[in-house]
Amino acid sequence: NAGVTQTPKFQVLKTGQSMTLQCAQDMNHEYMSWYRQDPGMGLRLIHYSVGAGITDQGEVPNGYNVSRSTTEDFPLRLLSAAPSQTSVYFCASSWTSGTSTDTQYFGPGTRLTVL
Amino acid sequence: GIQVEQSPPDLILQEGANSTLRCNFSDSVNNLQWFHQNPWGQLINLFYIPSGTKQNGRLSATTVATERYSLLYISSSQTTDSGVYFCAPRDYKLSFGAGTTVTVRA
Repeated sequence: NAGVTQTPKFQVLKTGQSMTLQCAQDMNHEYMSWYRQDPGMGLRLIHYSVGAGITDQGEVPNGYNVSRSTTEDFPLRLLSAAPSQTSVYFCASSWTSGTSTDTQYFGPGTRLTVL
Repeated sequence: GIQVEQSPPDLILQEGANSTLRCNFSDSVNNLQWFHQNPWGQLINLFYIPSGTKQNGRLSATTVATERYSLLYISSSQTTDSGVYFCAPRDYKLSFGAGTTVTVRA
């Protein structure tokens, strides 16, 4: 199993550009989520999905869109990049959500810089 | 959301030393994980430990859910233990504190 994969590893954008961060998992996990990590801080939840066709907002959803058309993939779209979106983005997955008793697994991260 | 406080914020160890990291959280949870973020930024699962004690090699963790805290023990520390340690209790999401930055010197 490849686990959770993310592409690209690094990206530089100009203000106003759009792009999609890719996330895929091959563990048949229902629950997937996106976090961002700013320097010296823990991770904050952007969006999450409890299954194909179902998404919801996390703590910091503004400026980001998601969709979940398959169990395996959960792309994150930046509509119009801003310097405040410079961060490291992590995708995570697990069998279930909420107060369930299972482990979340994280991808390697995408380091995004917006100029 | 769940508030997470980790202490100490920074820890410098000599190789071979033991240490204890603490995590306090604001609400009852039945799911808590400890992660190690290595110097390359990778997040590595250490423990899933909603309650009780677990051991994995030189690392062990204890969670006392009724008192809303968890402890991570590092014994005989090695330079490869350097990085940031996060505890993350979970409701619909993982809630992260600022972490404890550990530096192990040879």
